[in-house]
Amino acid sequence: QKEVEQNSGPLSVPEGAIASLNCTYSDRVSQSFFWYRQYSGKSPELIMSIYSNGDKEDGRFTAQLNKASQYVSLLIRDSQPSDSATYLCAVRGGYQKVTFGTGTKLQVIP
Amino acid sequence: GAGVSQTPSNKVTEKGKYVELRCDPISGHTALYWYRQSLGQGPEFLIYFQGTGAADDSGLPNDRFFAVRPEGSVSTLKIQRTERGDSAVYLCASSLTSTEGYGYTFGSGTRLTVV
Repeated sequence: QKEVEQNSGPLSVPEGAIASLNCTYSDRVSQSFFWYRQYSGKSPELIMSIYSNGDKEDGRFTAQLNKASQYVSLLIRDSQPSDSATYLCAVRGGYQKVTFGTGTKLQVIP
Repeated sequence: GAGVSQTPSNKVTEKGKYVELRCDPISGHTALYWYRQSLGQGPEFLIYFQGTGAADDSGLPNDRFFAVRPEGSVSTLKIQRTERGDSAVYLCASSLTSTEGYGYTFGSGTRLTVV
């Protein structure tokens, strides 16, 4: 079992719709969870972090965490073509290092 | 500096050669991380430094890989006897501390190609 699992996609959504990206993790002691956006040929860029169960909103982005289910998600409202990228879920476990998933490719169709 | 700086941005080397990749973190960031990313994959952890010491080097794939951070700032990743399988983008990241809650800032990476 991979430590951090994501559906590789691509996930295609029309412009203006809500994009929902999901991630599961295996390490129950994990405490910090991150979403990074990576444009093709570029480095990952941190867009959201979440540490407590529930929702955290930042502009058009909402991160959701459920530690009991070991599940974290990212919602992008009013999706724009500029949101088209690969979204990486990352988890900081008990040994401080951050483990990344393989990423979900999002395509927003104009 | 304003961001994490990595040099060179591209490196092509012959199989069996030695390479050094440099990372200059954001000023004041005590934690520094090396990852490598292959096409279609997420970043794979290699090593992290807290200050000058390697706090976790469990991701280094074998003894051909070594990293140093002698003064707690700039770090160098060294790869001996390079193999074609070492070809990847090597990413460096830094954060204010290594404790809970701090996300990374990544550099632009070094694309290593072993021919």
